[in-house]
Amino acid sequence: GAVVSQHPSRVICKSGTSVKIECRSLDFQATTMFWYRQFPKQSLMLMATSNEGSKATYEQGVEKDKFLINHASLTLSTLTVTSAHPEDSSFYICSARDSGGADTQYFGPGTRLTVL
Amino acid sequence: DAKTTQPTSMDCAEGRAANLPCNHSTISGNEYVYWYRQIHSQGPQYIIHGLKNNETNEMASLIITEDRKSSTLILPHATLRDTAVYYCIVYSGYSTLTFGKGTMLLVSP
Repeated sequence: GAVVSQHPSRVICKSGTSVKIECRSLDFQATTMFWYRQFPKQSLMLMATSNEGSKATYEQGVEKDKFLINHASLTLSTLTVTSAHPEDSSFYICSARDSGGADTQYFGPGTRLTVL
Repeated sequence: DAKTTQPTSMDCAEGRAANLPCNHSTISGNEYVYWYRQIHSQGPQYIIHGLKNNETNEMASLIITEDRKSSTLILPHATLRDTAVYYCIVYSGYSTLTFGKGTMLLVSP
């Protein structure tokens, strides 16, 4: 299947700092990428939909000024958690939709963010 | 509003077939049935999808009933590494994937 990478896989930061997470589709182009968040023992929750070359669409309750999304190319989307706080600690997962295939979404391995 | 219903958990002996059911009685004509699984602390892994015909790939088989109101994912020879949460999702390709609670499959020796 198609491969999606995320970097970093794990990050620990101090409260108040910003953290950038990269999501790349390695062997296909993705017009649309998605960002999810998963808290312990819960299912994945969609945060935002990222379309190449345009502004992201955020789900209700997700602050767009706090979670900055950039999708500048067909293979890269970034999520920046600005002024991170301990409650932002979570597992962040991206996915990319294979526009050239059957619109199947492929997921990255996730990024574990811990804010101290 | 959940579009699929799955059992909370299932057990399977190693080497035996694991049959995971899913009900999706309100599925629309243009929606596919997708299956993903999530092994602990990893991102979801795509398994298989289908519209109305049965499908098979190197990982699993997907059996969809004729009325498309339910389906079964079959792992023919389960291994310990198949222990994961399995998600059945109906998806049109232009909507977003909505994850429910899934089925926790525990494969035991």
